[in-house]
Amino acid sequence: DIQMTQSPSSLSASVGDRVTITCRASQSISSYLNWYQQKPGKAPKLLIYAASSLQSGVPSRFSGSGSGTDFTLTISSLQPEDFATYYCQQSYSTPRITFGQGTRLEIK
Amino acid sequence: EVQLVESGGGLVQPGRSLRLSCTASGFTFGDYAMSWVRQAPGKGLEWVGFIRSKAYGGTTEYAASVKGRFTISRDDSKSIAYLQMNSLKTEDTAVYYCTRESGNWYFDLWGRGTLVTVSS
Repeated sequence: DIQMTQSPSSLSASVGDRVTITCRASQSISSYLNWYQQKPGKAPKLLIYAASSLQSGVPSRFSGSGSGTDFTLTISSLQPEDFATYYCQQSYSTPRITFGQGTRLEIK
Repeated sequence: EVQLVESGGGLVQPGRSLRLSCTASGFTFGDYAMSWVRQAPGKGLEWVGFIRSKAYGGTTEYAASVKGRFTISRDDSKSIAYLQMNSLKTEDTAVYYCTRESGNWYFDLWGRGTLVTVSS
């Protein structure tokens, strides 16, 4: 199975900061990379699909980039509601899709 | 409202069985493939399995960790997907989410989840 590794595992930031989370695949996955946000006690929510396409209804401060093995999720200006855990997911090696271990974004 | 609602979770002993249900509303359920994703307490997300729409044969795929023990089915007339879990193990303890698959193996709609606890 393709291994997805996120960095950092946790991150402290302040409202208004620009934040970048990285996801690395153990082999090339082209642009088959998706990002989710999960708040405590809630279900994950799709943010970005196909590496850089913004899901409908998701604020434009979220953006994704990358291809091959290295991908990033960027939040341009952190808002209070953005403090959550973020997961990447590869959809290249189907049906054996895999998720990253998560990045917890905390308030500084 | 477009939504998925899981039910059927609870406490079960190791080796026993449990069936989860996922009731869909607000969209044409039969047009979509559906997946189950689980999350052990304090852990990350793990894809469990998937059922294609009838248009694509209604076939299923499973993660290696559950293959042979779990079975996914669907009743399009009732807009329900099921996850039959047999020979449960303590490591199956998790919140189980029902998800709608977009057509490109990402999940654009999630239920709120149902907790399954496997313990003696």
